[in-house]
Amino acid sequence: NAGVTQTPKFRILKIGQSMTLQCTQDMNHNYMYWYRQDPGMGLKLIYYSVGAGITDKGEVPNGYNVSRSTTEDFPLRLELAAPSQTSVYFCASNLRSLGTEAFFGQGTRLTVV
Amino acid sequence: AQKITQTQPGMFVQEKEAVTLDCTYDTSDPSYGLFWYKQPSSGEMIFLIYQGSYDQQNATEGRYSLNFQKARKSANLVISASQLGDSAMYFCAMRESGSQGGSEKLVFGKGTKLTVNP
Repeated sequence: NAGVTQTPKFRILKIGQSMTLQCTQDMNHNYMYWYRQDPGMGLKLIYYSVGAGITDKGEVPNGYNVSRSTTEDFPLRLELAAPSQTSVYFCASNLRSLGTEAFFGQGTRLTVV
Repeated sequence: AQKITQTQPGMFVQEKEAVTLDCTYDTSDPSYGLFWYKQPSSGEMIFLIYQGSYDQQNATEGRYSLNFQKARKSANLVISASQLGDSAMYFCAMRESGSQGGSEKLVFGKGTKLTVNP
């Protein structure tokens, strides 16, 4: 079982470039999330989705966009990368049921220079 | 307003001793779930334990237990018989049911860095 798969694992971007972080899960989970984690800090929610076609902003959505056209995929788009977006990005998913834990991808380490 | 508060940026414990990591939360939703995750230096997020708001008993999973005090809105993680491999960041998280108009998203505290000394 693959679980939650994120690609790429590492990426260096130049200021102003754009990129898409990919996230896919094979567990048929309704809920999917994107978090960023700055060094030594907690996880801040960027965007989340409760099902295909439904997305909503989290705490820190500025500079990012998402889409959810299928249950499996939840890509995160960075437009006009800035140094402040240097971070580790985690994708996660869980079932709708309140008592189920979220499964995390391995993370994407992004550096904007 | 912070939904999840972890007031201990860092904690130290001697090997084989017990340690309590604090977590308080804020919600008006009567139905919610509380989670603890471990993040070792390798970076992956590892689920440890879950407590539901209607659970009558405190959750336990091996050496992990959750000291759930609903009236105080606290959900402290207790690690018994600490091991060197327990050294990591620990995060408390909450999901609300959304029944009170809130969101069902999963939100995290800032974490506590636990160091186990030999």
